[in-house]
Amino acid sequence: DQQVKQNSPSLSVQEGRISILNCDYTNSMFDYFLWYKKYPAEGPTFLISISSIKDKNEDGRFTVFLNKSAKHLSLHIVPSQPGDSAVYFCAVLNSGNTPLVFGKGTRLSVIA
Amino acid sequence: GAGVSQSPRYKVAKRGQDVALRCDPISGHVSLFWYQQALGQGPEFLTYFQNEAQLDKSGLPSDRFFAERPEGSVSTLKIQRTQQEDSAVYLCASSLKWDTPLGGYTFGSGTRLTVV
Repeated sequence: DQQVKQNSPSLSVQEGRISILNCDYTNSMFDYFLWYKKYPAEGPTFLISISSIKDKNEDGRFTVFLNKSAKHLSLHIVPSQPGDSAVYFCAVLNSGNTPLVFGKGTRLSVIA
Repeated sequence: GAGVSQSPRYKVAKRGQDVALRCDPISGHVSLFWYQQALGQGPEFLTYFQNEAQLDKSGLPSDRFFAERPEGSVSTLKIQRTQQEDSAVYLCASSLKWDTPLGGYTFGSGTRLTVV
């Protein structure tokens, strides 16, 4: 049973507009939430994270929002750029000795 | 080195053959993780080391899979008698210590294993 769900396998956005990637999780005990970005033939690269005590974290063009009551996480990219085209993975973590659990990913295409 | 290094980048194995995949983590990184990523899926946890101790191997899919990190640095993932369902990208990641969750792990580029 999937603990982390990214229900949109793909998303297409025009350059300059906002990209919104969504993630749902099942276990309210998760403490940390991360987004990774992956280009073809490369490993995932850490992008941004948030702990469960916050509801928003911003880093430049990237903002992560956490809605604990809905068990929902989203990543906003604004403005979107062609170089943002990649697969984005949501990942969650407990504070105990448990590893990162990943969603299946969403492929973002930013069209010039 | 500057990043996590994995070798080989690509491996084609005949069904039944044994393979060994190598991971060189970032120097000084205590924690090392192996993940398996099948086509169209997210990375799935296989096993975790803290220094040379294998603390969690709950994700290894069968007893054909074996991982070691004897000196607390380089790690090897071995798959015996490979099957077609083992075809995937095997990702290695490391982190400075366990309790740096908000910084994430640093992943290598992976080894793409194809079993024919």
